[in-house]
Amino acid sequence: SAVISQKPSRDICQRGTSLTIQCQVDSQVTMMFWYRQQPGQSLTLIATANQGSEATYESGFVIDKFPISRPNLTFSTLTVSNMSPEDSSIYLCSVDQGETQYFGPGTRLLVL
Amino acid sequence: GENVEQHPSTLSVQEGDSAVIKCTYSDSASNYFPWYKQELGKGPQLIIDIRSNVGEKKDQRIAVTLNKTAKHFSLHITETQPEDSAVYFCAARRGGSYIPTFGRGTSLIVHP
Repeated sequence: SAVISQKPSRDICQRGTSLTIQCQVDSQVTMMFWYRQQPGQSLTLIATANQGSEATYESGFVIDKFPISRPNLTFSTLTVSNMSPEDSSIYLCSVDQGETQYFGPGTRLLVL
Repeated sequence: GENVEQHPSTLSVQEGDSAVIKCTYSDSASNYFPWYKQELGKGPQLIIDIRSNVGEKKDQRIAVTLNKTAKHFSLHITETQPEDSAVYFCAARRGGSYIPTFGRGTSLIVHP
């Protein structure tokens, strides 16, 4: 299975600022995904990031708030822009490999 | 779209007892059903999965059963240990889709 790392592992940010989360995979993958997990909740898909094309966003998520980059087949970034306390969540990177999704360790974000 | 219901939301057992978590799904086209374990401070980890062409799969103390007619599947953990304490998520994925729908999670607590 793919080994996925994320940076930072956690952060505390002030409202109105932005944070960029990095996701690195140890092998080339076509599909990468970004999820949000609010406290005590399930996993909500933010967007699908494909190399060489624009990310595809799910209902309720927009590019201006969550811009995504996918410069190559092993790396992606998610930016959480103009943060508010409601953005406090765990953000998870995921990849699809052999019809199975594997997750990174997550980035724990607290917005004050 | 797919809807996955998961029960119970919390499950407390004594060490050595069995634990059962149940999920139902709505989309009859779903054909892949993974289970994830999320320990505190970590990302979800795939522990077992089942495809619609089999009714049961076992891996040591963990087993998953699938009833396609009733559209439900269950996770069975035998001889529970304190290290089994975590949040467990079921998911269902439609054939041809990369994106699973997740249940709301079950917090399993195993008391020594």
